[in-house]
Amino acid sequence: ETGVTQTPRHLVMGMTNKKSLKCEQHLGHNAMYWYKQSAKKPLELMFVYNFKEQTENNSVPSRFSPECPNSSHLFLHLHTLQPEDSALYLCASSQDGRGGTLHFGNGTRLTVT
Amino acid sequence: EDQVTQSPEALRLQEGESSSLNCSYTVSGLRGLFWYRQDPGKGPEFLFTLYSAGEEKEKERLKATLTKKESFLHITAPKPEDSATYLCAVQAGTASKLTFGTGTRLQVTL
Repeated sequence: ETGVTQTPRHLVMGMTNKKSLKCEQHLGHNAMYWYKQSAKKPLELMFVYNFKEQTENNSVPSRFSPECPNSSHLFLHLHTLQPEDSALYLCASSQDGRGGTLHFGNGTRLTVT
Repeated sequence: EDQVTQSPEALRLQEGESSSLNCSYTVSGLRGLFWYRQDPGKGPEFLFTLYSAGEEKEKERLKATLTKKESFLHITAPKPEDSATYLCAVQAGTASKLTFGTGTRLQVTL
């Protein structure tokens, strides 16, 4: 596997469910990101982890809970979501947490019913 | 607050019909301007980074240019496989985050 891999590719969940999104990067990078992409809106940065430490939380509701056990893996735990949370969730990595060139996965398309 | 505006929102070209996409930005202290390509159902794919006004970069039929207020992505003699959404993003000041525009959806027809 190369690049950034996200699973699952599609997820449908009810508002009372708990689910997790997974991201793995094989690029040897030290920073990982979660972005939300909604139709007609710019990509929204949610969380940044640099060397496993969270360095940015962009005022994300607590129903989204990130976890970064090491520099290669990133999770987004979801619980009691709202229909407006339906979107494409993208994971990205970069060499370090100073931003710069991001390498994205293909995302998880989330639908909340 | 950093702002990025892309135009047009959508563009339809015939194969071989050259055109340009625009990305205008308002930031304090530009550190980098990024172009990405996104195909349906996929994540954005990095194309170029530009750092200072006057800089240009090329890749196949694409050429990106940068001024102090905007960037252009020129597409020369496009082919149907160039159809995608093109995203522009900026990094500015001491912030590590990228601020993205809403993209230009390009369709190239035969």
